[in-house]
Amino acid sequence: AQSVTQLGSHVSVSEGALVLLRCNYSSSVPPYLFWYVQYPNQGLQLLLKYTSAATLVKGINGFEAEFKKSETSFHLTKPSAHMSDAAEYFCAVSYFGNEKLTFGTGTRLTIIP
Amino acid sequence: DAGITQSPRHKVTETGTPVTLRCHQTENHRYMYWYRQDPGHGLRLIHYSYGVKDTDKGEVSDGYSVSRSKTEDFLLTLESATSSQTSVYFCAISEGTGLNQPQHFGDGTRLSIL
Repeated sequence: AQSVTQLGSHVSVSEGALVLLRCNYSSSVPPYLFWYVQYPNQGLQLLLKYTSAATLVKGINGFEAEFKKSETSFHLTKPSAHMSDAAEYFCAVSYFGNEKLTFGTGTRLTIIP
Repeated sequence: DAGITQSPRHKVTETGTPVTLRCHQTENHRYMYWYRQDPGHGLRLIHYSYGVKDTDKGEVSDGYSVSRSKTEDFLLTLESATSSQTSVYFCAISEGTGLNQPQHFGDGTRLSIL
């Protein structure tokens, strides 16, 4: 069985501050991990994905995530928040040969001017 | 996403009526998925398809059926809609199940059942 837990359904940060969105996973086999972003009234857009080649993964819009096996975590960060980062963010897990993604419950990010 | 079209984008209907949502892709991808999105639950898989006429259930399949008669179209049907099926429904597609074949999503259908 696989699952992800996103800590904090709502996160607020000031413009220019560090963004940290937390995701912990549970998987009995080596996981594939993803972060998706959803802007209002839109579908989900892939931000980044974890490959076993590198534990630090860089994605679009200046976001990155670090895979830490010892902590079963895949937290999403961005050094300096922009107003345009306001959205809902979803962590998801899968594994090799599995056609299904399991999503976390999402974190809504608000940027304070 | 330019390669995925969901229709209708919005629908309001009454309890007990049948409802069909359509997902159309132009990418010729093998896999297609239907999710529902509800506050506090994230996205939950309803049904998915791994080829024409090949479908399987997801975690919340009760009350839903699907059909895929062509590669490009994946239909989701609520045979007799209930208020608990009020939700936003998303279609997704992927080429395969590998890491370099992530799912891509449509813009969603907002369904309200009164």
